[in-house]
Amino acid sequence: GENVEQHPSTLSVQEGDSAVIKCTYSDSASNYFPWYKQELGKRPQLIIDIRSNVGEKKDQRIAVTLNKTAKHFSLHITETQPEDSAVYFCAASNRGTGGFKTIFGAGTRLFVKA
Amino acid sequence: GAGVSQSPSNKVTEKGKDVELRCDPISGHTALYWYRQSLGQGLEFLIYFQGNSAPDKSGLPSDRFSAERTGGSVSTLTIQRTQQEDSAVYLCASTRRQGSAEAFFGQGTRLTVV
Repeated sequence: GENVEQHPSTLSVQEGDSAVIKCTYSDSASNYFPWYKQELGKRPQLIIDIRSNVGEKKDQRIAVTLNKTAKHFSLHITETQPEDSAVYFCAASNRGTGGFKTIFGAGTRLFVKA
Repeated sequence: GAGVSQSPSNKVTEKGKDVELRCDPISGHTALYWYRQSLGQGLEFLIYFQGNSAPDKSGLPSDRFSAERTGGSVSTLTIQRTQQEDSAVYLCASTRRQGSAEAFFGQGTRLTVV
């Protein structure tokens, strides 16, 4: 079945450094790749997404890259700040006849040390 | 409603009892997902609904778990004869049929089996 693998499971960086989280997916029909951030005790919320017709997308300190041939995509956070500390989930979604089906990665716990 | 609503927000139950968790998705969202999140862990996929049908039940951990969705809207996740290992936060999410595949999460139900 469809699967999304996410690495690393835990990532610790110094404030100001960059953080990179990588995901691979198995379903070649996937065409939408969102990233969610879950702060402690809160629900996951979308922070950035990328569609299959785009290779890279940036939003301030956050960027996502997509390699459809290799079926992997990555989240890059530059100039990390303590408030970036959270669990980040990647996901791969494809649109079927009835709507979208989304598969999530297992999550990466990011710690940004001040 | 304005967002995905789950009830109850917290549930403490005795081992062996049955529990029902409710999810009320955003109006018009056709896809609905149930996930389980143990303390400090990632999102464990349980079941996915498209309308009232569940094309993917592969994540249900055992036959004690079941879910239904009626009227293409509210869904209930039922856990029979609860065990201590069932203790977790149960998250529901919904996505639209058209347009963005962004998943909107409820606040979760924290289930504690004592």
